[in-house]
Amino acid sequence: GAGVSQSPSNKVTEKGKDVELRCDPISGHTALYWYRQSLGQGLEFLIYFQGNSAPDKSGLPSDRFSAERTGGSVSTLTIQRTQQEDSAVYLCASGINLRPYNEQFFGPGTRLTVL
Amino acid sequence: TQLLEQSPQFLSIQEGENLTVYCNSSSVFSSLQWYRQEPGEGPVLLVTVVTGGEVKKLKRLTFQFGDARKDSSLHITAAQPGDTGLYLCAGWTSGTYKYIFGTGTRLKVLA
Repeated sequence: GAGVSQSPSNKVTEKGKDVELRCDPISGHTALYWYRQSLGQGLEFLIYFQGNSAPDKSGLPSDRFSAERTGGSVSTLTIQRTQQEDSAVYLCASGINLRPYNEQFFGPGTRLTVL
Repeated sequence: TQLLEQSPQFLSIQEGENLTVYCNSSSVFSSLQWYRQEPGEGPVLLVTVVTGGEVKKLKRLTFQFGDARKDSSLHITAAQPGDTGLYLCAGWTSGTYKYIFGTGTRLKVLA
């Protein structure tokens, strides 16, 4: 079946512009996660949705970052007034979140470059 | 701050050698996952360990969860070039809705 898909796969933008990243989870997965991975770095947790609700938004790096999920499916991560330090690969994952197993299936990521 | 520290950070070995990667924290985790990530792709789950002292085997990979559930290890026997990748441990932090990844171990197995 189809895995997690993300779009666009690559995005180049100018400093100060807004960008919107999209994640299509695996059908039926109630949990959805966003991460950021900078060059050569590990994964930084950004936010987690259970259904359409995000219990904790404190992982978002700044108030320029926001995320939403509608219909328990597609999610968008929006970065306003992009800065060069926002350049990274943004990864989305989905799962059923049956703790403690919490298996997550990752998409291929969106590579964001801010010039 | 609840952190997962991995060691070593980098490892380059010859095919056929054995290796161990460590994942340590000062915090207790209800479970820990191990992932492998290859360039240009998202991480792929290898295993979940739940019970303190648990040992799980996946072919040539052996995963162990510490008795106190604060640390874990990954042992690879007779490493092969196909084992090359970034190995990450991860888990939910206690009392929060944050899932954190370890600092990562980049393994290169030379033929």
